[in-house]
Amino acid sequence: DIQMTQSPSTLSASVGDRVTITCRASQSISSWLAWYQQKPGKAPKLLIYKASSLESGVPSRFSGSGSGTEFTLTISSLQPDDFATYYCQQYNGYSLTFGGGTKVEIK
Amino acid sequence: QLQLQESGPGLVKPSETLSLTCTVSGGSISSRNYYWVWIRQPPGKGLEWIGSIFYSGTTYYNPSLKSRVTISVDTPKNQFSLKLSSVTAADTAVYYCARRIAVAGIIDDWGQGTLVTVSS
Repeated sequence: DIQMTQSPSTLSASVGDRVTITCRASQSISSWLAWYQQKPGKAPKLLIYKASSLESGVPSRFSGSGSGTEFTLTISSLQPDDFATYYCQQYNGYSLTFGGGTKVEIK
Repeated sequence: QLQLQESGPGLVKPSETLSLTCTVSGGSISSRNYYWVWIRQPPGKGLEWIGSIFYSGTTYYNPSLKSRVTISVDTPKNQFSLKLSSVTAADTAVYYCARRIAVAGIIDDWGQGTLVTVSS
């Protein structure tokens, strides 16, 4: 099984900050990685797919990079609506694995 | 606009079988472009993939749950279902049904989720 490790688990930041979240895969997954945003009581929302492709309608301040085993999600200028929990997810094959999540809190 | 809606008991006794159904509207479950997925999230914790099913009935399960999980599809009713046997308190979670794009692998639509509590 492919394991996904996210860091940090919690991140405190202020509006306007540049924020970076890291996700590591236990083996190479090429670029088969997605990022989701989840707010309390809601289902996750797709932000980025294929490591760096922005889902339609998602603000351009969100960006993704990486390939193989190391990936990052960057929010260029944190907005009030961005305080949420973020998950990475690999889809290399038929199985899916999520990272443990990163909660972005107000500093 | 695709909609997915989970339904089923919100309370299940330990050792019994959890059963949920997902009704898909606004699109056909028989599309070759998608897998239909169950994902769960224990309170305050992360997301766990349970399994996926294709309209043909082909299934893929999380190895850690495989011995207890059955996912099935009812194409005339545009529904798919989850059964999880021998539940314990550790199976208490919000259960989501969702749609996965078959080739791209991403989950592009989710149900609202339903909380299932395992307790006597």
